[in-house]
Amino acid sequence: QVKLLQSGAALVKPGASVKMSCKASGYTFTDYWVSWVKQSHGKSLEWIGEIYPNSGATNFNEKFKGKATLTVDKSTSTAYMELSRLTSEDSAIYYCTRGGPGAYWGQGTLVTVSS
Amino acid sequence: DVVLTQTPVSLLISLGGQASISCRSSQSLVHSNGNTYLHWYLQKPGQSPQLLIYQVSNRFSGIPDRFSGSGSGTDFTLKISRVEPEDLGVYYCLQRTHNPRTFGGGTKLELK
Repeated sequence: QVKLLQSGAALVKPGASVKMSCKASGYTFTDYWVSWVKQSHGKSLEWIGEIYPNSGATNFNEKFKGKATLTVDKSTSTAYMELSRLTSEDSAIYYCTRGGPGAYWGQGTLVTVSS
Repeated sequence: DVVLTQTPVSLLISLGGQASISCRSSQSLVHSNGNTYLHWYLQKPGQSPQLLIYQVSNRFSGIPDRFSGSGSGTDFTLKISRVEPEDLGVYYCLQRTHNPRTFGGGTKLELK
C-alpha cells in the first residue's frame, strides 16, 4: 500500500537550516507530484509547494520562496525539503503528501526552532 | 491568493445527528479544464489529515457514504449524516485550482 514515511523531529537553532525527508513506497514515485504542507501549532494548514519527481519541476507558494527548497532522490524514492534561516515562526509540523487531491500523507515532521 | 472561508468554526453534534460545513471561496474554483479542484479532509487529534472527498463530490476509497460533498463555483458544502465518534476532529477544505493552493481555516466537530 502507499506509504509516506517522514524523518523524525528536529530541534534547531535560530538562523540554522533543517532538511527533512519523505520516503515513498507502494507506488511509482516518479508518477506523482509530492506536496509539502505546514501546520503551525493549533492552526490551519498552509501549502508550501510541490515537486514532480520525474522532472524535478517545482511549484511554490510565493510566501515560501527563499525559505523552502524541494529536491528528490529518485533512486531511493525520497523527497526532501530544506528550510533555511529558521526563526520561531518556522516551528511547526511539516507534512508531505502525494499530489493531486492529497490522498496520502506522511505522519509529519515536528520542527522546533529554539536556542 | 484564494481565500476559503469555512463556517461554522465549531460544531456541536449529537451522535447520530447530521452536520453541515460550508466552504466559500473568494474566487470561482472552476479550472480552465472544466474541473473543480475542491477537496475535503478530516484531521483527527494527533493524526495527519485524511482525504474524504475530492473534486467537490467524489468520496475517496473507503470513505462511508455518510459523507457527501456538493457545490459549485464558489460555494461548497460537506455533509455528514449519522455522526459517529470516529468523525470527530477538524475538517478542512482545500482548493487546488489556483496557485497557491489554499486551505480553509477548519471546522472543529465535537460531541454535544
